Amino acid sequence: GAVVSQHPSWVICKSGTSVKIECRSLDFQATTMFWYRQFPKQSLMLMATSNEGSKATYEQGVEKDKFLINHASLTLSTLTVTSAHPEDSSFYICSARVRGRSSYNSPLHFGNGTRLTVT
Amino acid sequence: GQQLNQSPQSMFIQEGEDVSMNCTSSSIFNTWLWYKQDPGEGPVLLIALYKAGELTSNGRLTAQFGITRKDSFLNISASIPSDVGIYFCAGPHGSGAGSYQLTFGKGTKLSVIP
Repeated sequence: GAVVSQHPSWVICKSGTSVKIECRSLDFQATTMFWYRQFPKQSLMLMATSNEGSKATYEQGVEKDKFLINHASLTLSTLTVTSAHPEDSSFYICSARVRGRSSYNSPLHFGNGTRLTVT
Repeated sequence: GQQLNQSPQSMFIQEGEDVSMNCTSSSIFNTWLWYKQDPGEGPVLLIALYKAGELTSNGRLTAQFGITRKDSFLNISASIPSDVGIYFCAGPHGSGAGSYQLTFGKGTKLSVIP
């Protein structure tokens, strides 16, 4: 159980275009999802916390107008990279926690990531 | 912000050997999590620790939550080629039900020589 599906698994886009990445919890409901970015050979860095039915909370240094997050339902969050540039090329990973479980007893489950390449 | 120091950064071992890696923090954590990430994939949870002093096993993996709540270690016994990957420790921070976030260590890259 607790499967998180991310789509697409990889995408190549031209500079200046926008790309949408979907994150779905397949067999559970998630009131909170998290979006991470990982550059090659580095750790995961939290970008934003996505809350169902409310605005996302962005980490310091992450532009909310560039990385649009929409958590429209209890099973879906989307990250849209707007006006993408080559420096946005990275591995984007979402994660979710089962709804209703207390914070410290419910580990995050991760999607398989989306490799974004901006040319 | 909170930081997790993970060591070693990388290790090369012979198949069949045991492996040990650890994670330390200057802050107290109430939960320690160990994840494994294969190339091009998201992290997969290996072991979750919720109580200081707790020792938990998952097959050939064993992890312990340090008594001070500022450290944790992960051991892998009798390593096999499929153990290759990057191992991350992680701990939650933040407050409020449903809003905690994870801080990740920088990872330990494990290579197993057949």
